Amino acid sequence: ILNVEQSPQSLHVQEGDSTNFTCSFPSSNFYALHWYRWETAKSPEALFVMTLNGDEKKKGRISATLNTKEGYSYLYIKGSQPEDSATYLCAFASGGNEKLTFGTGTRLTIIP
Amino acid sequence: GAVVSQHPSWVICKSGTSVKIECRSLDFQATTMFWYRQFPKQSLMLMATSNEGSKATYEQGVEKDKFLINHASLTLSTLTVTSAHPEDSSFYICSARATDTEAFFGQGTRLTVV
Repeated sequence: ILNVEQSPQSLHVQEGDSTNFTCSFPSSNFYALHWYRWETAKSPEALFVMTLNGDEKKKGRISATLNTKEGYSYLYIKGSQPEDSATYLCAFASGGNEKLTFGTGTRLTIIP
Repeated sequence: GAVVSQHPSWVICKSGTSVKIECRSLDFQATTMFWYRQFPKQSLMLMATSNEGSKATYEQGVEKDKFLINHASLTLSTLTVTSAHPEDSSFYICSARATDTEAFFGQGTRLTVV
């Protein structure tokens, strides 16, 4: 059983502050690491797919880094806005890209 | 991004009855669909993978006779929970992808068995 862990489970951040959270995954047989944003009552939305050690990806105020050798990825949000409130999921793919093993998510609440 | 529509969004059924959940890809042909289940405070767990026109591949511990998956067309997959019991109450969500593309998720279905 693959173990994908996310921390913290939840956090509250003041609007305008920056924040980050972690996804840890097995360092062997790595194929890809996915990040999703999941707002309540909506579909999970793909943010990033990361495949190379040292990868850094950015989408607006959100960015992510990847360290496959030590098995972790960070997601950063700069200048948090209320619309950033959501659960952020990471998912690990090993071997092929077919099956994803998800973490339990980090529930982010932005305080206006 | 592509749109995947899942219905119903919630359903309550009596113990012993069957419930069907639909997952449709609205603007692309989904060669592969995935069905996940999420219990409270747990992660999304893959139940099965289905490719159009062939039998679904179930994950270990998932009863294929209880969770019937049909992927008869490139835009529709269904999950039928047969003889549902209270312990089947959960959140079920599908994702779909075309060949060599990323997967897109439906909105999920909250099933409550009473």
